[in-house]
Amino acid sequence: GAGVSQSPSNKVTEKGKDVELRCDPISGHTALYWYRQSLGQGLEFLIYFQGNSAPDKSGLPSDRFSAERTGGSVSTLTIQRTQQEDSAVYLCASSFASGNTGELFFGEGSRLTVL
Amino acid sequence: SQQGEEDPQALSIQEGENATMNCSYKTSINNLQWYRQNSGRGLVHLILIRSNEREKHSGRLRVTLDTSKKSSSLLITASRAADTASYFCATPTSGTYKYIFGTGTRLKVLA
Repeated sequence: GAGVSQSPSNKVTEKGKDVELRCDPISGHTALYWYRQSLGQGLEFLIYFQGNSAPDKSGLPSDRFSAERTGGSVSTLTIQRTQQEDSAVYLCASSFASGNTGELFFGEGSRLTVL
Repeated sequence: SQQGEEDPQALSIQEGENATMNCSYKTSINNLQWYRQNSGRGLVHLILIRSNEREKHSGRLRVTLDTSKKSSSLLITASRAADTASYFCATPTSGTYKYIFGTGTRLKVLA
């Protein structure tokens, strides 16, 4: 596809279960970002992958959150032992991240509801 | 910590009026970007202004950047109901492509 693809679009889970959210970035984009957005709030930075460098995990809220990016392409955000406060829209974005540019292209997000 | 902060948090105007949103940031940047978000899902890039630019136009959008004050403004002229959305500024953390977003301005344009 031409854009950033995220799945699932919506996920309802029970408290304590693990969830995996997937992001397919635009082909050739070296940078990949995960953000979290609670209802009516701004975007909270979670994690940033840039090429083969070690990811910047400084925004992950707890050790229940982890993410990986395989082969420099697809990324999976995993939330273990979900809590109700994890309910939010999780947004993925990718970019070329070169020179003085870096426009981010966003997916439509994965809405997570923890019951 | 939040890199960017927009104000106002919410803005309601009549169709045809101009809308101005402001963004303040904390560290040195090489560019600043504005995004729009409809219905709480994916964001769409509107415009990028580089640190050596003071003003940039794109259609009905006008962006200014004042690096001495660490602030930017987004002006939407002749607003339309379809401009109703949330608007965010984004700035890279110094020396990286890690973009931090502001808190956003919710714009409502009344027909």
